[in-house]
Amino acid sequence: AQKVTQAQTEISVVEKEDVTLDCVYETRDTTYYLFWYKQPPSGELVFLIRRNSFDEQNEISGRYSWNFQKSTSSFNFTITASQVVDSAVYFCALSEGGGGEKLTFGTGTRLTIIP
Amino acid sequence: DADVTQTPRNRITKTGKRIMLECSQTKGHDRMYWYRQDPGLGLRLIYYSFDVKDINKGEISDGYSVSRQAQAKFSLSLESAIPNQTALYFCATSDLSQAKETQYFGPGTRLLVL
Repeated sequence: AQKVTQAQTEISVVEKEDVTLDCVYETRDTTYYLFWYKQPPSGELVFLIRRNSFDEQNEISGRYSWNFQKSTSSFNFTITASQVVDSAVYFCALSEGGGGEKLTFGTGTRLTIIP
Repeated sequence: DADVTQTPRNRITKTGKRIMLECSQTKGHDRMYWYRQDPGLGLRLIYYSFDVKDINKGEISDGYSVSRQAQAKFSLSLESAIPNQTALYFCATSDLSQAKETQYFGPGTRLLVL
């Protein structure tokens, strides 16, 4: 069975600091997909990134970057120069097989950016 | 207008009552999902549907039922609500035809069962 572990329950950093959110996954499939979602205080879930198991290239999107390492089964998320608007709960998720169906979520990391 | 809508956004009900949560989407996606979110537990899949004639149980389907009335509508029912069904409920959609299939979520329904 697939599993996603986000060991960091809560993180607080001062604005403009860099912060990394950890995600470790378990799966028996060779084809799988990893996702990150953001849940701001308003409660909705916002899609951030999708990565398939065959693509280990790191990705950067503005202040956000993702480091995918199959050797350690990790898909970590770094926010550079954090801002107050980054305060949210962040979820890592895993899907086996075809793609987006049947997501297994981690328990989330609550990130608080202190002004 | 939002692509995925959920009604109601908030609901308070009493133990034993039957309630229905509704989800509608304008994205044209064929796949729809219901999740619940509990503090410290992340999101867990209740039911999912890959098309109008396809309904599948998820991880925690006991106490729930669903109806896929049309491609764009997927309803979740609690036949006899109990307090431990108090949670935040999310509907999501995805499109198999997309090269990078991704689930997109509605705004959520906060349910309190007294």
